[in-house]
Amino acid sequence: GAVVSQHPSRVICKSGTSVKIECRSLDFQATTMFWYRQFPKQSLMLMATSNEGSKATYEQGVEKDKFLINHASLTLSTLTVTSAHPEDSSFYICSARDLRGQVYGYTFGSGTRLTVV
Amino acid sequence: GNSVTQMEGPVTLSEEAFLTINCTYTATGYPSLFWYVQYPGEGLQLLLKATKADDKGSNKGFEATYRKETTSFHLEKGSVQVSDSAVYFCALGGASGSARQLTFGSGTQLTVLP
Repeated sequence: GAVVSQHPSRVICKSGTSVKIECRSLDFQATTMFWYRQFPKQSLMLMATSNEGSKATYEQGVEKDKFLINHASLTLSTLTVTSAHPEDSSFYICSARDLRGQVYGYTFGSGTRLTVV
Repeated sequence: GNSVTQMEGPVTLSEEAFLTINCTYTATGYPSLFWYVQYPGEGLQLLLKATKADDKGSNKGFEATYRKETTSFHLEKGSVQVSDSAVYFCALGGASGSARQLTFGSGTQLTVLP
């Protein structure tokens, strides 16, 4: 089946530094990937839609200058949290959809736990 | 716009009990419906899906039927196990072939006691 690899799984960084999270589709091409944020014991909130070769589409209220998304190839999207602050600490999850067929549906990465200290 | 309303938890059951987690949706067109499961500290795993009305998704003893007349996709399992303890998310996506993002319900925490 379709596999999405996300790393790092956990990262601790100092306030003011930047952190990059990678999301790779391992056995399929993903022209579109999605980035979600999940607060403790809450549902997933869509942050942005990452489009290969073009600018990401951000949801209302998400700062595009803070959460930089790059989708340079058909198998890789990155999310960079710039000048991180403690309130950015969260669980970030990416997903992609294999459009070769409908069998796999949406596939999620394993998530990244970001802690800003 | 699209929305998903999911039964709030937490839900606590004894092993071998019957499970139902309700999910209803609002959408235009012909969406696909999904149930995802999230174990502690992990990402989401697809549990089952249905892409058109009257489809039944099933996996690992879990079932859900796409009911267009009641706009529902309730998750059921006849006999839960301790290992089923997790958070369950109902989600709505684009029609088959579209790349529209998912809309999630609020999640339901399930705890199964031995």
